[in-house]
Amino acid sequence: EVQLVQSGAEVKKPGESLKISCKGSGYSFTSYWIGWVRQMPGKGLEWMGIIYPGDSDTRYSPSFQGQVTISADKSISTAYLQWSSLKASDTAMYYCARLGRGLDYWGQGTLVTVSS
Amino acid sequence: EIVMTQSPATLSVSPGERATLSCRASQSVSSNLAWYQQKPGQAPRLLIYGASTRATGIPARFSGSGSGTEFTLTISSLQSEDFAVYYCQQYNNWPYSFGQGTKLEIK
Repeated sequence: EVQLVQSGAEVKKPGESLKISCKGSGYSFTSYWIGWVRQMPGKGLEWMGIIYPGDSDTRYSPSFQGQVTISADKSISTAYLQWSSLKASDTAMYYCARLGRGLDYWGQGTLVTVSS
Repeated sequence: EIVMTQSPATLSVSPGERATLSCRASQSVSSNLAWYQQKPGQAPRLLIYGASTRATGIPARFSGSGSGTEFTLTISSLQSEDFAVYYCQQYNNWPYSFGQGTKLEIK
């Protein structure tokens, strides 16, 4: 069974750093792109970027270039999304998803709350 | 960057009736178009890929059509569990992009 399991909810202060994770199982993790999607409270879905764990090829949406870093460790079938300095506007639900034919499998989401 | 525009923003339909949701791309995305359903508190779920192919386990009442810049998701006979937000998404050109969503509500 294909599964993407994300790390738990986080509460952080502005300026702090954060790295959240997405662990894949039940399929060849190195053979599919993994995407990260942001959903701000009450809003729609936004593509942040994608990574191919096989060779760590990474692409960012223009709105998120330079704002976050996407990485992967194929030895443990895990993708990451990280911030070096969080802002209140980073408060959102973050989803990882496998890019098969469309985003065919999704993680359960990681809620990130940034508040002073 | 390709902009995806969905219409209407909100659609009110009675159970058992047909719902038709539209999605327009600012330039051709061929058939590289997916539809997702999202219910409150849940992750999105893939319904349709390749503009018209149902994903695994998706009921036949969901159908997709279109190519190029104009796409439609049709739900033939609405069930109570179908009331949700629906998103289209193109994966023809990076950066991939979602529409803003259509909320399907009970009339």
